[in-house]
Amino acid sequence: AQSVTQLGSHVSVSEGALVLLRCNYSSSVPPYLFWYVQYPNQGLQLLLKYTTGATLVKGINGFEAEFKKSETSFHLTKPSAHMSDAAEYFCAVSGATGTASKLTFGTGTRLQVTL
Amino acid sequence: DTGVSQNPRHKITKRGQNVTFRCDPISEHNRLYWYRQTLGQGPEFLTYFQNEAQLEKSRLLSDRFSAERPKGSFSTLEIQRTEQGDSAMYLCASRSDRGFYNEQFFGPGTRLTVL
Repeated sequence: AQSVTQLGSHVSVSEGALVLLRCNYSSSVPPYLFWYVQYPNQGLQLLLKYTTGATLVKGINGFEAEFKKSETSFHLTKPSAHMSDAAEYFCAVSGATGTASKLTFGTGTRLQVTL
Repeated sequence: DTGVSQNPRHKITKRGQNVTFRCDPISEHNRLYWYRQTLGQGPEFLTYFQNEAQLEKSRLLSDRFSAERPKGSFSTLEIQRTEQGDSAMYLCASRSDRGFYNEQFFGPGTRLTVL
């Protein structure tokens, strides 16, 4: 069984400030971890993923995340927020293959960026 | 490669009517997933195909729901006798076995409103 907890349904930051979106997971198999972004009335776009290897992963638009197995966390960060980063962000976990490949999502964090 | 497409983008129907949605995955992607997203929530897994075989169905998929992928290419999701609780965004995703580590590509979704 897998689950994801995203702490904070809404996060507000000033433009240029650090963005930190929290994600904790639970998985009975070695996890694959993902962050997706969703803009209004659109589908999901993959920001970054962790599968194996390096625990610090870099994604698109300047985002990065660090897999910490001991803390079962996969927090998303960006050093400097832009107005265009305002969106809904979802953390997801899956297994590797077969029926374990379905994604289990958190409830999302809405990021607001203010001037 | 034109990405995952879904039709229609929006559907408004009256309670009790049947509706059908279509998903066209990225060509040569053999795996196809359906998810449902309600307001303020993350997407939830509904069902999953490998080629034309439906390998898993969520408990969320009541007997009013049926999904097919007859030739292992496009897929349809039908909801019979719709209820107001079926109002949601229905998302389709596809991936290739040769692709990276369960990277699923999402379509724009079909937003269903049941009056």
